[in-house]
Amino acid sequence: DAGVIQSPRHEVTEMGQEVTLRCKPISGHDYLFWYRQTMMRGLELLIYFNNNVPIDDSGMPEDRFSAKMPNASFSTLKIQPSEPRDSAVYFCASSLRGTQETQYFGPGTRLLVL
Amino acid sequence: GESVGLHLPTLSVQEGDNSIINCAYSNSASDYFIWYKQESGKGPQFIIDIRSNMDKRQGQRVTVLLNKTVKHLSLQIAATQPGDSAVYFCAENRRGGYNKLIFGAGTRLAVHP
Repeated sequence: DAGVIQSPRHEVTEMGQEVTLRCKPISGHDYLFWYRQTMMRGLELLIYFNNNVPIDDSGMPEDRFSAKMPNASFSTLKIQPSEPRDSAVYFCASSLRGTQETQYFGPGTRLLVL
Repeated sequence: GESVGLHLPTLSVQEGDNSIINCAYSNSASDYFIWYKQESGKGPQFIIDIRSNMDKRQGQRVTVLLNKTVKHLSLQIAATQPGDSAVYFCAENRRGGYNKLIFGAGTRLAVHP
């Protein structure tokens, strides 16, 4: 298996622009997680899905952030409009059956908002 | 991946020595714990996990110890190698309305030849 796939790997955009991050989980995994990593706040859970349904989005910073999972093999995290404080590395992870199972992380998307 | 935290604690060891990385967790109801390794520019990589009904688990060159009395977790790496240099995170599965993994701030391991 190729593991969790994320795209793009790097994104540089200007404040106010829309940013879309993409994730393909490991085939057969029922859970998908979106995390954000910054120097100041470390690794934070933003939202996670079970069988394509959002379960806990309490970590989503504000209404500018939205996430979807239209099918079992694809998820997006969208920021609109983006702000400089959104600059971070965004990771997608997937697990077979939930938070009590190993989560496998993708390589991350490094986002810089100017 | 990013360096996590401006003041990440750093453990410096000599190649071949054993390393012990410690972690304190906060929630006595947490039932699953996991250690990740993150190398520069990469995502966290699973090392080893342990459930709350155990106090020790061994893998290849790594051992995780869980002390629920004092809410402490440790990762022991035997015969540390230069390739072990990375940031190590512990995480606890915090049970609540929704279970979620809560990550610690991380410890940087520097292995010197």
